[in-house]
Amino acid sequence: NAGVTQTPKFQVLKTGQSMTLQCAQDMNHNSMYWYRQDPGMGLRLIYYSASEGTTDKGEVPNGYNVSRLNKREFSLRLESAAPSQTSVYFCASSEGFGFGDSTEAFFGQGTRLTVV
Amino acid sequence: DAKTTQPTSMDCAEGRAANLPCNHSTISGNEYVYWYRQIHSQGPQYIIHGLKNNETNEMASLIITEDRKSSTLILPHATLRDTAVYYCIVRALNRDDKIIFGKGTRLHILP
Repeated sequence: NAGVTQTPKFQVLKTGQSMTLQCAQDMNHNSMYWYRQDPGMGLRLIYYSASEGTTDKGEVPNGYNVSRLNKREFSLRLESAAPSQTSVYFCASSEGFGFGDSTEAFFGQGTRLTVV
Repeated sequence: DAKTTQPTSMDCAEGRAANLPCNHSTISGNEYVYWYRQIHSQGPQYIIHGLKNNETNEMASLIITEDRKSSTLILPHATLRDTAVYYCIVRALNRDDKIIFGKGTRLHILP
């Protein structure tokens, strides 16, 4: 049972470089999320996808783009990385709306990104 | 913005019950109360959730006040491994389905 898998686990980028963080879940969940967590802070929602084919902005979307490639995969792209984007990025998934009871979110182990 | 207010940090002696409070005075009728915790730098882990009744599972108990404006997470016999940041979240079941975290409570279990 893999759950939520994020790749890569660590990454160092130079300012201005681009990269895509990958996330995949094997639980057939409808909803997927991307968060960032800065040192000593709580998680902040970047983007989320309530279902395949839809994406919506969260609290801090600027500088990011997302793609819900299919039901399993939700990627986060940094087009031109900046030092302010140095953070730990977490992907999560949950059953989402439309089910009889509320359901919890499952999180990946994070991608530690440093932009120099 | 997060819809909950929690103390920044708390201490609890090992073996004692840890009681973590959360205020959610603007909670709506269709919003659930969820608790997660984050141990060190790992991804957050679900603990428990409830709507209006008290809930218990193998990890914890959740006590929600009758007016639903606050709740308490209870870890009945805290161990050193329960040292973590605990997040209280309110979440509705609708298409929006956002999960917004606040700053959480940093719980220190003291030996």
